[in-house]
Amino acid sequence: DSGVTQTPKHLITATGQRVTLRCSPRSGDLSVYWYQQSLDQGLQFLIQYYNGEERAKGNILERFSAQQFPDLHSELNLSSLELGDSALYFCASSVGLGAQTNEKLFFGSGTQLSVL
Amino acid sequence: GESVGLHLPTLSVQEGDNSIINCAYSNSASDYFIWYKQESGKGPQFIIDIRSNMDKRQGQRVTVLLNKTVKHLSLQIAATQPGDSAVYFCAENRRAQKLVFGQGTRLTINP
Repeated sequence: DSGVTQTPKHLITATGQRVTLRCSPRSGDLSVYWYQQSLDQGLQFLIQYYNGEERAKGNILERFSAQQFPDLHSELNLSSLELGDSALYFCASSVGLGAQTNEKLFFGSGTQLSVL
Repeated sequence: GESVGLHLPTLSVQEGDNSIINCAYSNSASDYFIWYKQESGKGPQFIIDIRSNMDKRQGQRVTVLLNKTVKHLSLQIAATQPGDSAVYFCAENRRAQKLVFGQGTRLTINP
């Protein structure tokens, strides 16, 4: 158990809908990262938050947004969903700034999103 | 661009044999590398890491080798067990940038 908690584990929705994925980082970790993993794809970085502030942005679509709350949990909002958004969405956390300080990331078990 | 890659997408080994999973990277400024293991239905799990000032690091049954001259990283698993079946990702940590993952190698253990 990595200590990173993601909910829900599975989500089935229809095209055009909006969903929210939730992540609680490990106790004491200030950074939260969101990654997308599609079939036969590696892990694609979406976005990082550090202590409530956006720190780094990757290949995140404009239809997607995220935030980190004062209690450090994070939510990833996906809107106007398309079939191609079906994927595993992982949250990870690290103590500090991650890449900037050579820290390992700890991953949650992911949310499997199916858009029908 | 992002260019952490794996030489082979799949690897099959006999139980008890040693496994070697390879990874190439192209950014000579990368200074930290991590191997992750992902089992079916689970998130990536940290296995071992190595900083660029080292060329070898050992863990429990695993060894990571780093060759900065040819920008190559490998993960060696000794006495491979059925529980080692998973997809293995190398990740490249470029200073001040995000962690970049390779495509992954699926390791299958034959009894």
